Amino acid sequence: GAVVSQHPSWVICKSGTSVKIECRSLDFQATTMFWYRQFPKQSLMLMATSNEGSKATYEQGVEKDKFLINHASLTLSTLTVTSAHPEDSSFYICSPRGLGSTDTQYFGPGTRLTVL
Amino acid sequence: AQTVTQSQPEMSVQEAETVTLSCTYDTSESDYYLFWYKQPPSRQMILVIRQEAYKQQNATENRFSVNFQKAAKSFSLKISDSQLGDAAMYFCALHGNKLVFGAGTILRVKS
Repeated sequence: GAVVSQHPSWVICKSGTSVKIECRSLDFQATTMFWYRQFPKQSLMLMATSNEGSKATYEQGVEKDKFLINHASLTLSTLTVTSAHPEDSSFYICSPRGLGSTDTQYFGPGTRLTVL
Repeated sequence: AQTVTQSQPEMSVQEAETVTLSCTYDTSESDYYLFWYKQPPSRQMILVIRQEAYKQQNATENRFSVNFQKAAKSFSLKISDSQLGDAAMYFCALHGNKLVFGAGTILRVKS
C-alpha cells in the first residue's frame, strides 16, 4: 500500500488557538486529498475533498472557514483548525488518492487533536 | 446518495474459528467498489480486501474472503482461522462517487 504520513500525531492546544495538520504522500503523487474526522468509537466522516491547486469541496455541515484546507502540491496537504474549541477535539485522518486511481484509498496514521 | 449499514456493533470469535461480519449498502451508481478496512487500536486504517462491483467472483485475500451479493446489495466479510491480531474495528466502505463508511463492527478474538 501507499506510504502516507501525518504530522503531528497528536496535539493539545488551548481554546481559541489554531492548529495545522500536515499530510504527506511519500511514494506517489496525490492529485486528490480527502480529510476525515473520527470521534471515539464512531466511523470516519468525510469533511472535505481537495484537488491539487484547487479549492476544497466541503461536505454539508462542515464549516469551510473553520477547517482550512490547502493542497498546494502533489505530495502535501494541510488542514488548519482555526479558533479551535473543545468540540473540535477529534481524530483527523487524511487520505490521498493518486492520478489515475479511482478506487482504493490509503490513509494517514491520523492526528489526535485535544482542545482544552 | 450512498449508504453503508453494519448491523453488528460487536462480534466475538474464538481463536482459530471463523467469523462473518455483515454489511449492506445502497447506491445509485452503476460502477462502484466495496472495501473492508481494519482499524486496530493504533487507529491506522488498513485495507483488508476490495471488490469491484462488476466482478461476480468473490474477492479473497488469504484468510479473508467476501460474499458479494450484488442484487441484495450485501457484502459480508468472512475471516477464517481467526487470530488474536485480527481483533480490531472493521469498517465496510463503498466507493461510488466518494468513499462512505459504515458504522463499524468491533471484533474481539478470544484465546
